[in-house]
Amino acid sequence: GAVVSQHPSWVICKSGTSVKIECRSLDFQATTMFWYRQFPKQSLMLMATSNEGSKATYEQGVEKDKFLINHASLTLSTLTVTSAHPEDSSFYICSALRGVNTEAFFGQGTRLTVV
Amino acid sequence: ELKVEQNPLFLSMQEGKNYTIYCNYSTTSDRLYWYRQDPGKSLESLFVLLSNGAVKQEGRLMASLDTKARLSTLHITAAVHDLSATYFCAVDRGMRFGAGTRLTVKP
Repeated sequence: GAVVSQHPSWVICKSGTSVKIECRSLDFQATTMFWYRQFPKQSLMLMATSNEGSKATYEQGVEKDKFLINHASLTLSTLTVTSAHPEDSSFYICSALRGVNTEAFFGQGTRLTVV
Repeated sequence: ELKVEQNPLFLSMQEGKNYTIYCNYSTTSDRLYWYRQDPGKSLESLFVLLSNGAVKQEGRLMASLDTKARLSTLHITAAVHDLSATYFCAVDRGMRFGAGTRLTVKP
């Protein structure tokens, strides 16, 4: 099956610093990637849709200046949490679409803790 | 705005029993997904349903889609403990997720 690798798996950072999370499709080209955040015992909340070579489309209420998304190639999208605060602590998950009529493949997730 | 409703949110069942999880969505969609999530882990794809009347089965799980009723079901047959997890449905390519159903299968 298709593999999506997310890195790092977990990260602890200080308030005010920035953190970058990478999402790579290892064995396929993904024209579209999605970024989600998930709080404990809650569902996934779509943050943004990332298309290669164009600006990400952010969901309502998601600050695009705080959550910077770069989809520089067909196999890599990055999410940078800028000036992180404790309330940004969450589980961040990416997914990638391999084709039009296939399911999305999910990365392992990144657990971010801001102290 | 597309809304996706799952029920039940919590489900405790005994091994060997059957049960169905329901996923309703509010606007037209041409695809529906089912995923499984174990605690602390990411999502595992179970099914993708692409057309009205689509039915897919894998082991003790069977998913179906009725696009006219905007309803998908995930049926569990003869549950076993290994099926304990949270199950999510998601709609459309944008992956709008339901709240999830936390399933616990007890001996």
